[in-house]
Amino acid sequence: QKEVEQNSGPLSVPEGAIASLNCTYSDRGSQSFFWYRQYSGKSPELIMSIYSNGDKEDGRFTAQLNKASQYVSLLIRDSQPSDSATYLCAVNKYDYKLSFGAGTTVTVRA
Amino acid sequence: EPEVTQTPSHQVTQMGQEVILRCVPISNHLYFYWYRQILGQKVEFLVSFYNNEISEKSEIFDDQFSVERPDGSNFTLKIRSTKLEDSAMYFCASSEAGTEKLFFGSGTQLSVL
Repeated sequence: QKEVEQNSGPLSVPEGAIASLNCTYSDRGSQSFFWYRQYSGKSPELIMSIYSNGDKEDGRFTAQLNKASQYVSLLIRDSQPSDSATYLCAVNKYDYKLSFGAGTTVTVRA
Repeated sequence: EPEVTQTPSHQVTQMGQEVILRCVPISNHLYFYWYRQILGQKVEFLVSFYNNEISEKSEIFDDQFSVERPDGSNFTLKIRSTKLEDSAMYFCASSEAGTEKLFFGSGTQLSVL
């Protein structure tokens, strides 16, 4: 079983729509959860972190965490062409060793 | 805005040669990391470094790999005898004490021929 799994995509959404990204993780001891955005050929860029169950909003981004279901999601509201990228879910267990998912590629159609 | 800088951006080497990848972490950060990403694959953890010693390493980080902080600013990854399968983008990252929020450098694309 993979440590971190993401819906494979690619995900294509029209401009202005909501993009919904999902991630599940295998280790129940995981404590910290992150979403990174990676443009093609570039490095990962942190966009959201979440540590407790529930929702966390930051601008057009909302992260949701459900530790009982071992599930993390990211919603991107009012999607813009500049949101077109690969979104990486990353999980940590207090050991400063992030485990990344394979990523979901999002394309926002103008 | 402070950033992690990596040099070189591209490195081409022959199989069996040694390479050193260099990184300057963000100045007030205390934790340093190397990750790699083989083309089309996920980002993989290699090693974390704190207080001048390795704190965690993955199975990938075998005896061919080493890290060093030779002075107060640089953080290096050495691959002693490169293999074809070492070809990847290598990312350096750093974080402040007490947080796992990693900030990544722009990467070094290593090509082993």
